[in-house]
Amino acid sequence: EVQLVESGGGLVQPGGSLRLSCEASGFTFSSYWMSWVRQAPGKGLEWVANIKQEGSEKYYVDSVKGRFTISRDNAKNSLYLQMNSLRAEDTAVYFCARDVSGSYSLDYWGQGTLVTVSS
Amino acid sequence: QSVLTQPPSASGTPGQRVTISCSGSSSNIGSNTVNWYQQLSGTAPKLLIYSNNQRPSGVPDRFSGSKSGTSASLAISGLQSEDEADYYCAAWDDSLNGVFGGGTKLTVL
Repeated sequence: EVQLVESGGGLVQPGGSLRLSCEASGFTFSSYWMSWVRQAPGKGLEWVANIKQEGSEKYYVDSVKGRFTISRDNAKNSLYLQMNSLRAEDTAVYFCARDVSGSYSLDYWGQGTLVTVSS
Repeated sequence: QSVLTQPPSASGTPGQRVTISCSGSSSNIGSNTVNWYQQLSGTAPKLLIYSNNQRPSGVPDRFSGSKSGTSASLAISGLQSEDEADYYCAAWDDSLNGVFGGGTKLTVL
């Protein structure tokens, strides 16, 4: 059974940092693109970043470029999102998701982890 | 303001057919495939349609997708109460970004 389990969310002050993790199981993690998607409270979905199977390609939404870094450790079946210089507008539930075909078709999602940026 | 445009709400009665539209541009829907997601209240999104009109295993054939030019649509036939959810269209954009629609809240009357 495919499972994605996020962790690392919490309350952080503006300007602070947080590292999210997503532990994958039930599939060959190294064979798939992976994405982070976020959802602010009461709002819609927003794609944040994605990473190719071996990590050679990474893409980001403009609003997080230079502040967030997506990475992966295929030996540990884990996806990460390092978030620096956090802003109030980064407050959201962050989901990790598997891309079924490398075409932004996200077929499995984690349950999400809440990041709250507030003083 | 989302890159892909969806109506904020839609509604129908049980058994009816409902369609949800999604409008984009030549850099996203016009040149890449469209995916649709269903998000029930308080849960993670679920892939409903991928590659414009393909259903993942387990998704009922009451759900169908189509694409024409820079627009796409999701159709739900034989509407059921459990279909009440938020629906999002999504596509890759040639500017190397993933983009979502703003979401459509479907109410089953």
